[in-house]
Amino acid sequence: DAMVIQNPRYQVTQFGKPVTLSCSQTLNHNVMYWYQQKSSQAPKLLFHYYDKDFNNEADTPDNFQSRRPNTSFCFLDIRSPGLGDAAMYLCATSRDGLARGETQYFGPGTRLLVL
Amino acid sequence: AQSVTQLGSHVSVSEGALVLLRCNYSSSVPPYLFWYVQYPNQGLQLLLKYTSAATLVKGINGFEAEFKKSETSFHLTKPSAHMRDAAEYFCAVSEGAGGTSYGKLTFGQGTILTVHP
Repeated sequence: DAMVIQNPRYQVTQFGKPVTLSCSQTLNHNVMYWYQQKSSQAPKLLFHYYDKDFNNEADTPDNFQSRRPNTSFCFLDIRSPGLGDAAMYLCATSRDGLARGETQYFGPGTRLLVL
Repeated sequence: AQSVTQLGSHVSVSEGALVLLRCNYSSSVPPYLFWYVQYPNQGLQLLLKYTSAATLVKGINGFEAEFKKSETSFHLTKPSAHMRDAAEYFCAVSEGAGGTSYGKLTFGQGTILTVHP
């Protein structure tokens, strides 16, 4: 039943230790998004892929990278996590982008804790 | 540029009372508007969306919202609150045809709804 799946749901890492969060989708959508959401804040878009085309937001730190090896999977790599990177990370998909009011489907999120 | 303002970061109602969550938007082109709900430690779930068809939109869980262009508003309502409605609600806008913000949702800051017995 799950359409956008994120693993793990909770991730603990150490300061400066690289970490990878994963997302997969069963919707066969063209677009996949990564958001960062800090406590009591709105989700903040980090980047998105339209198929294999990568689109980075201007204010996304270089510390954050992403990979999309195929349609179904997308990864978020944090090269050197700092304490400020502790947050909920949300993956989302849409069929063809949002220019026609399409729905964006969200996964359950991965909560990252940095020690 | 598009933006969303949600009036009231916290709203508290009694069970059975009317729920009203306010959202005002700014967009240079006809907008598409969304309401999402987020339960603790969960992702966002779509409640309803406006895509330039009927101005009164009905969604899941008994929620509805009315698009008012003259007021640039898209307020969310539910006639009778349930305890299970306690969650955080986000209003969001994406630009319609002709907009430049391809692929982006712009979210409001969210409203936490508390429902008292």
